[in-house]
Amino acid sequence: AQSVAQPEDQVNVAEGNPLTVKCTYSVSGNPYLFWYVQYPNRGLQFLLKYITGDNLVKGSYGFEAEFNKSQTSFHLKKPSALVSDSALYFCAVRVPYSGAGSYQLTFGKGTKLSVIP
Amino acid sequence: DTGVSQDPRHKITKRGQNVTFRCDPISEHNRLYWYRQTLGQGPEFLTYFQNEAQLEKSRLLSDRFSAERPKGSFSTLEIQRTEQGDSAMYLCASSLLSGDEQFFGPGTRLTVL
Repeated sequence: AQSVAQPEDQVNVAEGNPLTVKCTYSVSGNPYLFWYVQYPNRGLQFLLKYITGDNLVKGSYGFEAEFNKSQTSFHLKKPSALVSDSALYFCAVRVPYSGAGSYQLTFGKGTKLSVIP
Repeated sequence: DTGVSQDPRHKITKRGQNVTFRCDPISEHNRLYWYRQTLGQGPEFLTYFQNEAQLEKSRLLSDRFSAERPKGSFSTLEIQRTEQGDSAMYLCASSLLSGDEQFFGPGTRLTVL
């Protein structure tokens, strides 16, 4: 069975500083990896995905993530944090072509990002 | 707004009552998914449809839960004989057949008293 771990419940970062939100995964097979953001009283918004190819993927709002197969990680990064980035971030994994379960997303528990002015 | 919509946004019910939620996906999306999210947790997969066919159901989906997508467009999720443990945010998402990312609606928050 696949699983996702987000080891930090909360990350605090000063505005203008780089931010990293960590994600590790456990799957059998080649994963598709995703980051979503959730603002209060709003649905999950897609940020970026890794399917294949370049290990560094760029997404919305200046976010990027690096896929590291040997460390089974997919950390979310941004060079300069904004106060408006404060939200709940979820990492998710899907394992295509794995039969039953190949279309479902498995999410981590989420990491609350607080950007301090 | 042409995103995924869900109705109602909030539902308060008494234990033992039946509730039904509706999801309208993005119009050209063939796949539709239901997830449940409880406080402090990530969304958990419940079921998904490809057009009108329900192709996968999670073990979380007990016999009291039923989902339909009769014409391959909107979907309904019904919970019969609600229990306090059913209190959660119910999220709907949709995607293209050729797409990898799922687009989520705002959710329906269910509170069972």
